[in-house]
Amino acid sequence: GIQVEQSPPDLILQEGANSTLRCNFSDSVNNLQWFHQNPWGQLINLFYIPSGTKQNGRLSATTVATERYSLLYISSSQTTDSGVYFCAVERNSGGSNYKLTFGKGTLLTVNP
Amino acid sequence: NAGVTQTPKFRVLKTGQSMTLLCAQDMNHEYMYWYRQDPGMGLRLIHYSVGEGTTAKGEVPDGYNVSRLKKQNFLLGLESAAPSQTSVYFCASSDWTGGNEQYFGPGTRLTVT
Repeated sequence: GIQVEQSPPDLILQEGANSTLRCNFSDSVNNLQWFHQNPWGQLINLFYIPSGTKQNGRLSATTVATERYSLLYISSSQTTDSGVYFCAVERNSGGSNYKLTFGKGTLLTVNP
Repeated sequence: NAGVTQTPKFRVLKTGQSMTLLCAQDMNHEYMYWYRQDPGMGLRLIHYSVGEGTTAKGEVPDGYNVSRLKKQNFLLGLESAAPSQTSVYFCASSDWTGGNEQYFGPGTRLTVT
């Protein structure tokens, strides 16, 4: 199956710092999503981004499908950004295969 | 819209007991999914459904059964719970009109002793 690798596994920041999280995947994809899992365990959709660039406030994401990677940028980080960030992909099998494969996540801690 | 809801939020079972987890969505999505999340890992797909009356196996289906009798509901059953099924269970739904972007419920924390 498709492999999804996220880096770094852990990241500690001071409030106000910027960061970049990376997601590499091993095959072409129909779908790529970024999620934030907050300390209460809730999974929050950040971006649906199989290709191109999107921005939402202090967060932005870029997926370069031809090179099989995606980047999530967090600017001016806040303590509420803490949690685990997951990348998940749906492999392109010539149609929809419906299945998201998740990476193991990046644990982000933002200190005040 | 409530989105995706899950019942119950927490449950403790003894080995060998059975239970059913309920997932409901009000977005009229065709596709629904059950995942489990274990410590230090991402989510893994247990079973999924591409429409009312259909189900299919995911990555880790053993020990679980599912049913999709109504479009808005997707049930996950454990017939004889085992400690290895201690996990957090997430339900999700999606639709092809949205490019299959999946939306997740709040999760159910299950402990099997």
